Amino acid sequence: NAGVTQTPKFQVLKTGQSMTLQCAQDMNHEYMSWYRQDPGMGLRLIHYSVGAGITDQGEVPNGYNVSRSTTEDFPLRLLSAAPSQTSVYFCASSRGQASINEQFFGPGTRLTVL
Amino acid sequence: AQSVTQLGSHVSVSEGALVLLRCNYSSSVPPYLFWYVQYPNQGLQLLLKYTTGATLVKGINGFEAEFKKSETSFHLTKPSAHMSDAAEYFCAVSDLTFGNEKLTFGTGTRLTIIP
Repeated sequence: NAGVTQTPKFQVLKTGQSMTLQCAQDMNHEYMSWYRQDPGMGLRLIHYSVGAGITDQGEVPNGYNVSRSTTEDFPLRLLSAAPSQTSVYFCASSRGQASINEQFFGPGTRLTVL
Repeated sequence: AQSVTQLGSHVSVSEGALVLLRCNYSSSVPPYLFWYVQYPNQGLQLLLKYTTGATLVKGINGFEAEFKKSETSFHLTKPSAHMSDAAEYFCAVSDLTFGNEKLTFGTGTRLTIIP
C-alpha cells in the first residue's frame, strides 16, 4: 500500500494564479481531510469529506475548493492564490470519523505564494 | 468548543532523560485525546489515543500518556529519551458532539534530544 500520496511536494505560485493540490489514498477510507500547517499555529482544518460526493468546510475554508468524485481522490483547489496561503498542506484519511479514529497523513505539499 | 494548550513550544532533554510534554484541553463533553508525532519533512503519525476506559495509555516507541479528568490534562511521557525521538509532537482533542468530524490540534512542541 502506498498509503496517502500528495503531489506536488513543492510549488511556487504568483499571486492570483490557481492550482490544484492532489491527494490520493489506497486504503478505501471514507473520510478525508485537508489541513494547513503554519508556524506556531499547529494544524488547521480546511475542508473535509465523509465520502464520495460529500464535502464540508473546516476551520479555514476561504480561498479553497474541494470535490470528492471518487473514494480515492480528494483534490484541493486554490482559486486565486494569495501570499497568506503560503503554508504546508497535508491531506489525511481515516477509516471512520476523523475525530475518533487514527488519521493517516500524506507527506505534505510546501506551497509558496509570491 | 474544544481547545488544546501545549505548554512549551520547544523542549530539550538529554539522551536517556525523562521526556515530559504537556497538554491541557478544554471540552464541554468527555473528550477523545490524541498525540501525533511529526518527524522532519514527514506527515503526522499517531503515537497514542485515549477514548474510554484505562486512563494510562501506552503508545508506540515507548511513549505513554495519562488522562487526568480533574486536571484536564493528557501529558505525554517517555522514561528514557532516544536520539530518534527528536520530532514535533502535537496533542489533539475531539468531542462526541453529534456531527462533529473534527479534531482540534495544539500548536505543537518541538523536542530536541541532547547527546
